[in-house]
Amino acid sequence: QVQLQQWGTGLLKPSETLSLTCAVSNGSFSGHYWVWIRQSSGRGMEWIGEINHNGGTTYRPSLKGRVTISLDTSKNQFSLRLTSVTAADTAMYYCARGRLVIDPWGQGTLVTVSS
Amino acid sequence: EIVMTQSPATLSVSPGERATLSCRASQGIITNLAWYQQKPGQAPRLLIYGASTRATGISARFSGSGSGTEFTLTINSLQSEDSAVYYCQQYNDWFSWTFGQGTKVEIK
Repeated sequence: QVQLQQWGTGLLKPSETLSLTCAVSNGSFSGHYWVWIRQSSGRGMEWIGEINHNGGTTYRPSLKGRVTISLDTSKNQFSLRLTSVTAADTAMYYCARGRLVIDPWGQGTLVTVSS
Repeated sequence: EIVMTQSPATLSVSPGERATLSCRASQGIITNLAWYQQKPGQAPRLLIYGASTRATGISARFSGSGSGTEFTLTINSLQSEDSAVYYCQQYNDWFSWTFGQGTKVEIK
């Protein structure tokens, strides 16, 4: 079945840029929406944004201007970039497939923002 | 934003018994509801979508019901491996979906 493997920097200082990448294996990249989600004890589960196989994106309004999701179809990968991070961006970040129902999920990356 | 409220916060059940988890939406969402299981240190796993359809590979011990604003996840013949936090998620609005705060199921 489709598997998602993600990686990226886990410890950031305020104002730095968060960068995560997710690789999709054992399945088709096209015809699906690919999303980034974060989970924190304070805010629960939050949708960050999505990208479709054509590169069309939609972002969480409160993050617009700081977030970029991109894809590399040649590698079956998609990426998240979040600029000017603050402590409020500290969370577990997940990549996943799906626009409405989310399945499957990547293993998660804990991102901590601390000076 | 549609608010999802789950109850109880924690449920302690003996092995072999039934666990019943509730999820309430602040407004009607038809059957646009999913349930996920999250074990410590793991990503959530989809169990149920469309309020009552089991995802691929999910045991028949898991069943979902409800529509509108009231939903239930039932776990029959509880096993130790079912110890986890269970979340409901509404997807009535495509980029405004929301999760409940979760119900932790403990095995006595």
